[in-house]
Amino acid sequence: AQSVAQPEDQVNVAEGNPLTVKCTYSVSGNPYLFWYVQYPNRGLQFLLKYITGDNLVKGSYGFEAEFNKSQTSFHLKKPSALVSDSALYFCAVRDGSNYQLIWGAGTKLIIKP
Amino acid sequence: DGGITQSPKYLFRKEGQNVTLSCEQNLNHDAMYWYRQDPGQGLRLIYYSQIVNDFQKGDIAEGYSVSREKKESFPLTVTSAQKNPTAFYLCASSRGLAGTAYEQYFGPGTRLTVT
Repeated sequence: AQSVAQPEDQVNVAEGNPLTVKCTYSVSGNPYLFWYVQYPNRGLQFLLKYITGDNLVKGSYGFEAEFNKSQTSFHLKKPSALVSDSALYFCAVRDGSNYQLIWGAGTKLIIKP
Repeated sequence: DGGITQSPKYLFRKEGQNVTLSCEQNLNHDAMYWYRQDPGQGLRLIYYSQIVNDFQKGDIAEGYSVSREKKESFPLTVTSAQKNPTAFYLCASSRGLAGTAYEQYFGPGTRLTVT
């Protein structure tokens, strides 16, 4: 079965420290992978995507993600966290059978001053 | 200002009433989607549409209906048949289906409370 897992419900990071939000996936075929961010009571905003090519993808607001095919992971990273990065982060992968997105349950990121 | 608008932001209804949520986009996107978001869960797809006058059921279509009479508009009706309608509803659009690697753009959402 095709799926996405975000193993951490919540991640706590001190401001200025590097952050990582984890995502693993299971799909047939080549994965299309996405990261989105959601601020409280708002819609989701696209951060970045991996389709093909370089395993390190750079996106909005200084975020980047590393695609690792052997570990079937697509972890979101940022070298230096800001308090304003506090939000809910979703990983998603294309379903190869019907081309819809399969969504992870989300990870709440809390950046403490 | 391009984007997706959803109205209203908050909606309260009595059980047994149908309610329609509005979604409009001016991005000239072909594909539009409706998702439901519940606490602690990822987004669940209700309906999607690739083109005007065509739409497909998602994973949780029971108790919902949609129409796509115009490219810009994709309203969602939550019917009285939906057993647990209280949720946050998100509308999205993309240039093409997600399988074509186009990212989705989301509206601000409508929080529906049914009592």
